Amino acid sequence: DAKTTQPPSMDCAEGRAANLPCNHSTISGNEYVYWYRQIHSQGPQYIIHGLKNNETNEMASLIITEDRKSSTLILPHATLRDTAVYYCIVGDQGAQKLVFGQGTRLTINP
Amino acid sequence: DTAVSQTPKYLVTQMGNDKSIKCEQNLGHDTMYWYKQDSKKFLKIMFSYNNKELIINETVPNRFSPKSPDKAHLNLHINSLELGDSAVYFCASSQNRGETQYFGPGTRLLVL
Repeated sequence: DAKTTQPPSMDCAEGRAANLPCNHSTISGNEYVYWYRQIHSQGPQYIIHGLKNNETNEMASLIITEDRKSSTLILPHATLRDTAVYYCIVGDQGAQKLVFGQGTRLTINP
Repeated sequence: DTAVSQTPKYLVTQMGNDKSIKCEQNLGHDTMYWYKQDSKKFLKIMFSYNNKELIINETVPNRFSPKSPDKAHLNLHINSLELGDSAVYFCASSQNRGETQYFGPGTRLLVL
């Protein structure tokens, strides 16, 4: 079973920042937070991951709370192509499998 | 260049048939995976291979048999197909166990 809770759906206006929340209250000390997304009819795509520090890459930023019980994925300037299902996944770095939950269906509106 | 490729993209077949889905990765990765995404869109891991050795087998019926002829390939053979096998099957690979996974485009299997 997935160890994360995400809202089932969200909307965001094109050009705005999309902030996707994730709760992982039972995360343990050696577990990372991973974000993947799945655009319609495509395979999942890795976005970003982090342990306890905030992380940023060319796709997104990941903000993890100090107690590590929740995190937020930020897409700084959402485009229509960011419409997808976003999955927040918790696992240790040696985790040999990704356990996907239901994810958040993000719709970017023009 | 396609990093993780799967063939075929679509597969329609009759119940009881045997079929195979092929996966190839050109990333030089050591670990490969098969996931199944059912009609409710839940993605679940089925198998994982590391350096051609099976390391994960997630309670999958014996009708499903993965085969890894080399590190770059992980094929999925399905015997005696059933209606419930209809799903999208995704192959993935990672440099090593537990590292970022790269997914293929999926194979859409429909069993009639």
